[in-house]
Amino acid sequence: NAGVTQTPKFRVLKTGQSMTLLCAQDMNHEYMYWYRQDPGMGLRLIHYSVGEGTTAKGEVPDGYNVSRLKKQNFLLGLESAAPSQTSVYFCASSYFSPWANEKLFFGSGTQLSVL
Amino acid sequence: TQLLEQSPQFLSIQEGENLTVYCNSSSVFSSLQWYRQEPGEGPVLLVTVVTGGEVKKLKRLTFQFGDARKDSSLHITAAQPGDTGLYLCAGALMSGGSNYKLTFGKGTLLTVNP
Repeated sequence: NAGVTQTPKFRVLKTGQSMTLLCAQDMNHEYMYWYRQDPGMGLRLIHYSVGEGTTAKGEVPDGYNVSRLKKQNFLLGLESAAPSQTSVYFCASSYFSPWANEKLFFGSGTQLSVL
Repeated sequence: TQLLEQSPQFLSIQEGENLTVYCNSSSVFSSLQWYRQEPGEGPVLLVTVVTGGEVKKLKRLTFQFGDARKDSSLHITAAQPGDTGLYLCAGALMSGGSNYKLTFGKGTLLTVNP
């Protein structure tokens, strides 16, 4: 099984450019998440989805948008990239909510640099 | 304000030594998970503890959930270079309704030298 696949793995953007990060999971999971990981800050939740067609804001949603048109895909968009969005982005999925002690499966991350 | 405090932030030890890392909070969690993250990869779940006072063992790793469900520890016996990585704790907060709330600590970066 591929599990959770993120594309691209690396990307460099100029300030003001836009891009979309793609996350795909093949485990038929209901829940999907986007996190960013910064040195000294840990993992912070950007947006999440509890099922196809749903999205919700996490801790740090500003400057990002998401869509879950298909159950297996969760897209993270940056409309106008800023240097503060330089980070490593992780997608994760789970069958049930972590509230129900369900484990998260993570992708291998996307390293994004905004110049 | 960091909800989950992990300590130490960095730890460098020699192969064969024992170590303990801690995850502390003033909040009560319904469960707590420990993940290990290797360079260039996403976190991978090691264990979930649910009951106050619970102890779980995974080979040389021992996980304990505090009696009050506010803290947890990870003890590694006879550390190996393969244990090197970032150890993250994540707590699921008790709350009503269907609001999702899983909070990660900042992690402990462990280096085990041969």
